[in-house]
Amino acid sequence: DSGVTQTPKHLITATGQRVTLRCSPRSGDLSVYWYQQSLDQGLQFLIQYYNGEERAKGNILERFSAQQFPDLHSELNLSSLELGDSALYFCASSVGHGGQVSTDTQYFGPGTRLTVL
Amino acid sequence: AQSVTQLDSHVSVSEGTPVLLRCNYSSSYSPSLFWYVQHPNKGLQLLLKYTSAATLVKGINGFEAEFKKSETSFHLTKPSAHMSDAAEYFCVVSVPNQAGTALIFGKGTTLSVSS
Repeated sequence: DSGVTQTPKHLITATGQRVTLRCSPRSGDLSVYWYQQSLDQGLQFLIQYYNGEERAKGNILERFSAQQFPDLHSELNLSSLELGDSALYFCASSVGHGGQVSTDTQYFGPGTRLTVL
Repeated sequence: AQSVTQLDSHVSVSEGTPVLLRCNYSSSYSPSLFWYVQHPNKGLQLLLKYTSAATLVKGINGFEAEFKKSETSFHLTKPSAHMSDAAEYFCVVSVPNQAGTALIFGKGTTLSVSS
């Protein structure tokens, strides 16, 4: 158990809908990261938050957004869902740093499996 | 730009034989490199990481990896495979940016272990 929790475990919804995925980081971790794992794209970095502020963006669609709250939990919002958004969404957390550090170890949650019908 | 290439999409070994999963990286910086493992229907677990200290890195469950700058490689090895090692393995490079990091994943290597 990594200490990172994600809810829900599974989510089934229809095209055009909006969903929210939730992540609670390990105790003491300030950075939260979101990743998408799909069969065709593999594992891709979406976005990072540090202590409530957006810090880095990867291949995140404009239909997707995220935020990190004062208690450090994070939510990933996916809207106008398409069939191709079906994937496993992982949250990871790390101690985090305000500056440019590449040695931070990320710990992953169990993921949320999203199925869009 | 940073990237990783896992040279084998699938590796099959017999229980008790050595494991070699190959990874080459490309990085503009002195990289931090990681190996993660994903068991079926599970999250990602860190096996080991290299952060410019010792070039031979020991991880959990008997795995180790050697950083070779001249070959831009970071291959994962284990002397003797167990059935429980069957999983998907990802080689990962950390990309520092102005205010944090992101992980760039290889496409993964599926390890099958037969008895």
